[in-house]
Amino acid sequence: QVQLVESGGGLVKPGGSLRLSCAASGFTFSDYYMSWIRQAPGKGLEWVSYISSSGSTIYYADSVKGRFTISRDNAKNSLYLQMNSLRAEDTAVYYCARGRYGDYVLFDYWGQGTLVTVSS
Amino acid sequence: QSVLTQPPSASGTPGQRVTISCSGSSSNIGSNYVYWYQQLPGTAPKLLIYRNNQRPSGVPDRFSGSKSGTSASLAISGLRSEDEADYYCAAWDDSWGVFGGGTKLTVL
Repeated sequence: QVQLVESGGGLVKPGGSLRLSCAASGFTFSDYYMSWIRQAPGKGLEWVSYISSSGSTIYYADSVKGRFTISRDNAKNSLYLQMNSLRAEDTAVYYCARGRYGDYVLFDYWGQGTLVTVSS
Repeated sequence: QSVLTQPPSASGTPGQRVTISCSGSSSNIGSNYVYWYQQLPGTAPKLLIYRNNQRPSGVPDRFSGSKSGTSASLAISGLRSEDEADYYCAAWDDSWGVFGGGTKLTVL
């Protein structure tokens, strides 16, 4: 069955960095577009970034552009989010989600999420 | 402020039909598909409706979606207690994804 398992969250100081990982299994990872979506505590969903199946097409939300980098390793069935210059407002649960070509906000499977807390 | 506007709350009694609206603009809903997600307390969101009105396998036909111009709606008929959740609309906008602020549905 399809599984997405995020890891790498934790407590980091403002200005610090963190790298999130998402391990995929149960499907042909290299066939699917992938995304990161986050949810601040008690708040709604916020789309963060999207990467095509080959990694050639990438989009970012304005709120993270220039600070976050999405990448993938199809040989390792893994998705990553490198987060630099972290701010308090980046505090959230970060979900990785599976998408489809042509449906940029169709997320048919989600991970359980990993919590990132940015605080001094 | 979310790019897509949803009412913060909605409610209904078991068996009733409720609708949740989602308002956007020409750059998002007006020119792209709308998607709906259900988030039960403490869990990851679940895809409920894709491409305006399509249901993934396993989603009951009590859930339906529609779109007109720059607005969309999610309708839930035969309301059940297990439908109590947060509901989010989503759409693509130029070169980024946008979500609505979410609607908390209470089953009275």
